[in-house]
Parts: sequence; structure tokens; C-alpha cells
Amino acid sequence: RKEVEQDPGPFNVPEGATVAFNCTYSNSASQSFFWYRQDCRKEPKLLMSVYSSGNEDGRFTAQLNRASQYISLLIRDSKLSDSATYLCVVTPSGNTGKLIFGQGTTLQVKP
Amino acid sequence: NAGVTQTPKFQVLKTGQSMTLQCAQDMNHNSMYWYRQDPGMGLRLIYYSASEGTTDKGEVPNGYNVSRLNKREFSLRLESAAPSQTSVYFCASSERFYGYTFGSGTRLTVV
Repeated sequence: RKEVEQDPGPFNVPEGATVAFNCTYSNSASQSFFWYRQDCRKEPKLLMSVYSSGNEDGRFTAQLNRASQYISLLIRDSKLSDSATYLCVVTPSGNTGKLIFGQGTTLQVKP
Repeated sequence: NAGVTQTPKFQVLKTGQSMTLQCAQDMNHNSMYWYRQDPGMGLRLIYYSASEGTTDKGEVPNGYNVSRLNKREFSLRLESAAPSQTSVYFCASSERFYGYTFGSGTRLTVV
């Protein structure tokens, strides 16, 4: 079983739609959680951290459910520029600095 | 503000050839990482260096060696390239696990 699992998609949505991605992780001792965004043929970039209390950054909302070991990302009012691959990322237990990446969920926003 | 610089951006090798991928960061980060990204597999950690003078194996270290030359530079060497090492390679640096910054990647093809 992969440590971090995501539905690869693609998710095809019209502009203005609300879309949600989920991600599950296998190690209950995982400490920190992130969403990264990766554009085609580019490097991943940090989108936002994910906190137990949930957090919001503009149109993006991230949630963490430690009991069920899943993380979600909600994008409201989708823009064409949101088209990208979204990577779910966790840190394993221990202060190693390593990140474990999911394979990513591809979002395509259509006009 | 260069961030993380990787060279080369593209490379084609013949099976059995060797090469070194170079990575340098100018953010005074202690930790540096090498990942490879393959379709359907996500990013997988090859080697990492938590601080100058230390290196450790990641998830897929076989066929690779690394050198943390100083705080700025972390190189990845393929001693005898194999077609299975065809991939996109990303270098990253961080201060602990927040604020991972990636280089723009090296696209390597082994024929």
C-alpha cells in the first residue's frame, strides 16, 4: 500500500465550479501535511499547509481528518489557471525533513 | 533570487555512461534532497542531506550516489546509467520541512 494515495483523475470541470480532492495516508504518526501544485513540465510549488482545524486561503480550503487519515482540498469558483496537478504531501514521523508525495490529482478547468 | 538551480535541464545518456546532476541553492537552507518523478509514481526520494556533511538514503537509492559538497551544493551521480533511470529529477532544499523549494528539474533519458 502506498503511503499517500490520491485519485489521479483527471477531474474535468467548467469554470466557476467547485471541486474537491481527497487524499489518504497510511502512517498514523505522520506529522505535517501539505498541498503542492505542479504545472505541466514544471517543478512542484507549495500551495498551502493543512491544519487539523482546517484552513483557508482565498478560494482554497484544506482540511485534515487525523482519525480517518485523510486530507482534502476544496477549490471554489474554479479558474482556467487552476488547471494543474495537485500533490498531497505528508511528513513521516520524526524530525527528518523528508516529504512523502502522493502521485497527484490532475485538474482540468474548461471554459 | 535564484532559489534552487539545477543543471543540466536535459540530458540523453547511453546505457552504461555516467553523469553528475548538479544542484545549488542560495537560501542558506540546511537540508537538501534529490527526488525522481515518473508517470503514475509521484515523486520518490532518492537521497537527502539533513545538513552539510551528512547524507542518507531515501526510498530509491540504488544506482545513485550523492555528495554534499558544501552547504550550497548537493550533487547526484549515476555511475552506470540504465534505461530504468529515465526520469525527471528534482533537487529541493528546505529549512526543516516547511518551505521546500524545488529546482526546475532535469529530464534524463537513458537509451
